Amino acid sequence: QSVLMQPPSVSGAPGQRITISCAGYSSNLGALYDVHWYQQLPGAAPKLLIFGNTNRPSGVPDRFSGSRSGTSASLAITGLQAEDAADYYCQAHDSLLKGYVFGTGTRVTVL
Amino acid sequence: QVQLVQSGAELKKPGSSVKLSCKASGGTFKTYTFNWVRQAPGQGLEWMGGIIPLFGPPFYAQDFQDRVTITADDSTSAVYMELSSLTSDDTAVYYCATVDGYNREDPLRYWGQGTLVTVSS
Repeated sequence: QSVLMQPPSVSGAPGQRITISCAGYSSNLGALYDVHWYQQLPGAAPKLLIFGNTNRPSGVPDRFSGSRSGTSASLAITGLQAEDAADYYCQAHDSLLKGYVFGTGTRVTVL
Repeated sequence: QVQLVQSGAELKKPGSSVKLSCKASGGTFKTYTFNWVRQAPGQGLEWMGGIIPLFGPPFYAQDFQDRVTITADDSTSAVYMELSSLTSDDTAVYYCATVDGYNREDPLRYWGQGTLVTVSS
């Protein structure tokens, strides 16, 4: 049961900048737990994209960036490319559930 | 860097159980926290629980704690997840994923390829 809310879909033209929001609650984002973001390409396992709110693992292009404020977080993709078409999920620890919670997921479409 | 290889697809009858495996290589088994995450067809990701082989015992999501069992075998560097009382709602791809270290707030850095479990009569 997801408790982090994301928009179902976001679209943009190649080269544009898009953002994906992630809204949480006092027991997860409001409790200042780190937010992590994952990219899931069609038919593939999720891949860590952003960790600790703003950090990129080695190999992730700097077109991807993360930010957070209070009980929400955002993922931005600048210079959108066709290969960025995928599902994106935010994730955080939840103190009430005593485990991970994922966002509802956002499908990015490149027009 | 650890690699995770999961067992193959399963077809199960309603009411039965399934036991999946996740074998780790390329890293030190006891330095990781292993988690299980599932994804129903066309749906989002759902965390089920995990285990820290160095410490045990396993920890489970509330929605699964009555019918999931997660174990670790140091001798084979493998983690197992058994789910009982299966229904069609359990049809999903099940992923094994690891955290570097023991902080359960850290990200799931490495993922297995996933195992499709189909529950059908």
